[in-house]
Amino acid sequence: AQSVAQPEDQVNVAEGNPLTVKCTYSVSGNPYLFWYVQYPNRGLQFLLKYITGDNLVKGSYGFEAEFNKSQTSFHLKKPSALVSDSALYFCAGANTGNQFYFGTGTSLTVIP
Amino acid sequence: KAGVTQTPRYLIKTRGQQVTLSCSPISGHRSVSWYQQTPGQGLQFLFEYFSETQRNKGNFPGRFSGRQFSNSRSEMNVSTLELGDSALYLCASRTQDSLGYEQYFGPGTRLTVT
Repeated sequence: AQSVAQPEDQVNVAEGNPLTVKCTYSVSGNPYLFWYVQYPNRGLQFLLKYITGDNLVKGSYGFEAEFNKSQTSFHLKKPSALVSDSALYFCAGANTGNQFYFGTGTSLTVIP
Repeated sequence: KAGVTQTPRYLIKTRGQQVTLSCSPISGHRSVSWYQQTPGQGLQFLFEYFSETQRNKGNFPGRFSGRQFSNSRSEMNVSTLELGDSALYLCASRTQDSLGYEQYFGPGTRLTVT
């Protein structure tokens, strides 16, 4: 079965420290992977995607993600966290059936 | 370019009623997907429409249905509402018939069933 997992419901990090939000996938074939962010009472906003090519993908607001095929992971990272990064983050994968699979979300809190 | 719009933004219904939600995709986007978001379940895929045809369907009962019009606007209908249908319903659109194109989400419709 196709799926995306986010093993941490909650991540806390101090402002200025690096942050990592974890994601693992189980998608057949070559995976298409995405990260989205959701602020309170808003829809999801696209951050970045991996389709093919370089394993390190750079996206909006200074975020980046590293595709690791051997570990089937696509962790979201940022070198220096901001309080304004506090939000709900979703990892998603897509397969050849044109269907997207979302993780359950990770709530990130950046502590001033 | 205008983003994905959803109407209404908030809705309160009682059990047994039916409801119709509307989604207008970004201009030029032909794929529209619907998701149900609840605190405990995350985002659950309902269905996807592409060029007026349902292309994918999630694991929801037949009370949940949808359609897409020739201008790519989509509607979702839920009949015989249950308390458990209370959720944020998100619509997302994307361009091209390709996996490489990310989805863009609307702000959602918050449905409360009492």
